[in-house]
Amino acid sequence: SQKIEQNSEALNIQEGKTATLTCNYTNYSPAYLQWYRQDPGRGPVFLLLIRENEKEKRKERLKVTFDTTLKQSLFHITASQPADSATYLCALDRGSTLGRLYFGRGTQLTVWP
Amino acid sequence: NAGVTQTPKFRILKIGQSMTLQCTQDMNHNYMYWYRQDPGMGLKLIYYSVGAGITDKGEVPNGYNVSRSTTEDFPLRLELAAPSQTSVYFCASSPRGDELYGYTFGSGTRLTVV
Repeated sequence: SQKIEQNSEALNIQEGKTATLTCNYTNYSPAYLQWYRQDPGRGPVFLLLIRENEKEKRKERLKVTFDTTLKQSLFHITASQPADSATYLCALDRGSTLGRLYFGRGTQLTVWP
Repeated sequence: NAGVTQTPKFRILKIGQSMTLQCTQDMNHNYMYWYRQDPGMGLKLIYYSVGAGITDKGEVPNGYNVSRSTTEDFPLRLELAAPSQTSVYFCASSPRGDELYGYTFGSGTRLTVV
């Protein structure tokens, strides 16, 4: 089965810095990869999707890269703010019509003033 | 739009009891999913459905059952609750064949089996 590893359980950075979160996967290569944000006591919220033929995707202060050779995705938050503090999940899909997502454990990001 | 609505938000069950977790969506999504999330673990897929009348097992289906009689509703049934089913359960939906929007998740049901 697909194995997904997110670089660390917790990441603490100072406000204004760039947060970089890592997602590594094994076994088969996904057709696309998604990133979600999850706040305590809430369900995950979809942020970005990147396809296997895309190297980079941006949305406002968010940037995602996808390296199928390294089997890795990087998720960047530039000019981080305390409001960005949350758990970030990466999820992979095989691209089949069934659309089943496999989720990593998540990285808890804390941005301190 | 309400999105994906889950009820109840919290529930305590005794071992051996049964219950149904309700999930309804108002976005006309064909695909619906049930995940469980244990502390420090990733979301695990329990069951999913690609349309009314069609369901299939995910990674951890044992101890659960589902049905999909309408596009809107996807209830999850626990027949004989066990302590190992203590978890937070999330229902999600997505448009068929359109991955651009990702999954829409409900706010979850926190279940404790004692």
